[in-house]
Order: sequence, then C-alpha cells, then structure tokens
Amino acid sequence: DQQVKQNSPSLSVQEGRISILNCDYTNSMFDYFLWYKKYPAEGPTFLISISSIKDKNEDGRFTVFLNKSAKHLSLHIVPSQPGDSAVYFCAASAGTNAGKSTFGDGTTLTVKP
Amino acid sequence: DTGVSQNPRHKITKRGQNVTFRCDPISEHNRLYWYRQTLGQGPEFLTYFQNEAQLEKSRLLSDRFSAERPKGSFSTLEIQRTEQGDSAMYLCASSLGLTGSDTQYFGPGTRLTVL
Repeated sequence: DQQVKQNSPSLSVQEGRISILNCDYTNSMFDYFLWYKKYPAEGPTFLISISSIKDKNEDGRFTVFLNKSAKHLSLHIVPSQPGDSAVYFCAASAGTNAGKSTFGDGTTLTVKP
Repeated sequence: DTGVSQNPRHKITKRGQNVTFRCDPISEHNRLYWYRQTLGQGPEFLTYFQNEAQLEKSRLLSDRFSAERPKGSFSTLEIQRTEQGDSAMYLCASSLGLTGSDTQYFGPGTRLTVL
C-alpha cells in the first residue's frame, strides 16, 4: 500500500514555462509535506516544505500548494530553468512521529532550453 | 562542509560478505535516519535514532541488518551475509527532530553492489 503517490514518472517543459509536479497521499495523519530534488549519484536535496496548517508556501521560483480535502499537493516551478532538470520526490510525515518520512517514487523533470 | 557525510560512497562486495557503512550527521541534529533506495523508487525508511537510542525499525530491516549510533554522534549500518537483493543506494539523513515540521537533510549515499 503506497501512501504517497506521484503518478507522473516524467514531465518535460520548455525553459521559461511553468512546471507543475503532483503528489497524492492517502494517510490522513500526514501533517508535514516536503519536496526534494535529486541529481544522479547524489542524495536528495531539500527544496521546500509545507505544514498542514497552510495551503501554500512560496520560496523564490518554487511554490507548494496543499489541498487537504483532496489529499493532494503540487509543486510549481516558475520560470523553469534547464538546471531544474532532476528527479523530484514528494515526501510526507506525521507529527506524532516527527521526521520519519514516506516518499513517492519521484517524477523526472526535464527542462528543455 | 557541514552537511551529512557518508562513507564509503561506493562498495562492491561478494555475496555472503559483511559490509559496514558510516554516516556523520549535521552536528546539532539529534535525529539520524537510514533509508534504502532502489532504481525507480523513492527512499524507503529503514530505521532511525534519537540521539543514541534506536526508536524504530522497519520490517524491511531483516536480522542481517544492524545499526548503531554510539554516543549519539555518527552512525554505522552493517549488513551481514549480503545478498544480491541488498544492492541499493543506502541513504543517511539527519534532522533536529521538530514535531510537526521536521526537515531531514540527506547525505550523498553509499551505493552497494553485491555480486
């Protein structure tokens, strides 16, 4: 039973356009959500997070939206740059067990110049 | 560099051998996690420590796997009698352990290949 799902294995966008990566979860106990970026041969790098008390968090070109009723979150990157090309993982954790994260299988983003 | 470090970065071993990996967390972080990642999947939780106490172990962690964190600083993950199915990237992460908003920071990983 996969509690965090990223249904799109890959996404390709043109440089300068918006990239939207999606993530769905099933466990209603999750209250903290994170996005990580991963380049080949490196560990995941923390990108942005959101607590369940918010529905939006923004950091520069990156914005995460949370829809608790739909158990859905998305990461928006605008404008997309070729250096954003990487695998993006969505992760979720439950406050009662702070930090232990459940990850999706990732979406490979390719930004074309 | 004050990030999470892992050694070795790569390990090739023969089936049946024992291997040990080391993780050095960010110095002020009291939580340390081990994950395993295989191709095409996200990291899977194995175990974590709060200081030196091992608080949770995944059912993925068979009795061939053991982890320690003496003195609450660095951690080691040992795999005994390795099997080909153990081939994966082993990731270590650390965090402050904040309830409700805990962010884990990952090391570069140790890639294990069992021949």
